[in-house]
Amino acid sequence: GIQVEQSPPDLILQEGANSTLRCNFSDSVNNLQWFHQNPWGQLINLFYIPSGTKQNGRLSATTVATERYSLLYISSSQTTDSGVYFCAVEQRSSNTGKLIFGQGTTLQVKP
Amino acid sequence: DSGVTQTPKHLITATGQRVTLRCSPRSGDLSVYWYQQSLDQGLQFLIQYYNGEERAKGNILERFSAQQFPDLHSELNLSSLELGDSALYFCASTMDRGNTIYFGEGSWLTVV
Repeated sequence: GIQVEQSPPDLILQEGANSTLRCNFSDSVNNLQWFHQNPWGQLINLFYIPSGTKQNGRLSATTVATERYSLLYISSSQTTDSGVYFCAVEQRSSNTGKLIFGQGTTLQVKP
Repeated sequence: DSGVTQTPKHLITATGQRVTLRCSPRSGDLSVYWYQQSLDQGLQFLIQYYNGEERAKGNILERFSAQQFPDLHSELNLSSLELGDSALYFCASTMDRGNTIYFGEGSWLTVV
C-alpha cells in the first residue's frame, strides 16, 4: 500500500513565527487532504488539495503531485494553531476513496 | 460543525463486553468510513460503506463489525472488548471518492 511520511514529527514555535510542514507519499494519488486535530481530539479539514496551491487566511498548501509531496505553510502562528497536523491521501489505484493518514506533525506554539 | 454526528461521545466499559457506536453522515453523503485512533497506531482505516454496501476493508479485527442502513447511518459493533481496544473511533463521510471527507467528533472508548 501507499506510504505517507510527514516531517518534522514535532515542532515548537514562538507565537508569530512561520512554519512549513511536509508530506511525502510513495504513489500517485487522486485525493490529498490536510487536517488539524485540536487538543480536544476534533479532526478539522484544512485543505482538499490533490494538486496545485490553495490559501485560507494564514494557512496555505501546495501539492506537487508529479513529485509526490505536499507542503502546509502556517504564517504568523498563534497558540490556537497548536495540535497535530495530518496529511491523508487516497491512492489513485484504490478506487474506494479511503484515506491513508501519515503519522502527523505535532505543533506547539508558545506565547 | 462538520455535519457528521457520532454517538456516544464517551463510553467506559469492561473487558469482554460489547458496544455499538453510531454515526449519521452529512446530508447527501453516501459513503461512510470508520477509523480508529490509538496512541501507538495513529489513525487506522477500519472499514468503508457506500450506499449500504461494503466497499473497502482495512485492519478491522474479526471481533468488530459494521453496517450501513438504508437511511445511510452506520453502526460499528465492537465485541469481546480488550484493554487494547481503548481508542478514539471516528466516523467520516463523503459524497464519493475524490471529494472532501468530513469527520465526526469521535467516540472515546475506554475499556477497563
